[in-house]
Amino acid sequence: DTEVTQTPKHLVMGMTNKKSLKCEQHMGHRAMYWYKQKAKKPPELMFVYSYEKLSINESVPSRFSPECPNSSLLNLHLHALQPEDSALYLCASSPQVIATGELFFGEGSRLTVL
Amino acid sequence: EDKVVQSPLSLVVHEGDTVTLNCSYEVTNFRSLLWYKQEKKAPTFLFMLTSSGIEKKSGRLSSILDKKELFSILNITATQTGDSAVYLCAVEFWSGTASKLTFGTGTRLQVTL
Repeated sequence: DTEVTQTPKHLVMGMTNKKSLKCEQHMGHRAMYWYKQKAKKPPELMFVYSYEKLSINESVPSRFSPECPNSSLLNLHLHALQPEDSALYLCASSPQVIATGELFFGEGSRLTVL
Repeated sequence: EDKVVQSPLSLVVHEGDTVTLNCSYEVTNFRSLLWYKQEKKAPTFLFMLTSSGIEKKSGRLSSILDKKELFSILNITATQTGDSAVYLCAVEFWSGTASKLTFGTGTRLQVTL
């Protein structure tokens, strides 16, 4: 299984809602990532988890809250988002966080904030 | 500040043409440079380059890295309409606490009949 699975594929939420994005991989990778991609822009790193511990937070607003319950799962909890947070949220994994090499990406969750 | 710059930003070619995409970078603690192809959703991996001057090839695609001049090129020969996509260059570097991947702005390639 060489897949990174993200759910939901599409999400529409209001600014007062609380929702979560989920990401799962069964490749035994120990590093997992959240990227945000706006239209016609490259992916921007948000968070890096290594061995289920947060190792990088790229100064992401607290309305985004990551969680790594185990080595296969990565969540992104969303609360009180703004319309400008609408984007494609990509999850990725790699075997290790040191000398990561190739990242394996999921197909993304397209988020619309009304 | 670490940065990755790609050129051109967009390109329109005819099927059968050869194209060269450029990526230059300025990062500290460089580890590798990667090329990805992104169509509608997730980026898909093409190449990882760590050593200067060693060409990597996969079918009609090839890539090479110059660590002295801090750039890489991606060549596509005999282009096909299926090559139409955004090509992303990404540089991996050590931040002090973890390895990070920073993407360039991408080159949007359109191949026409």
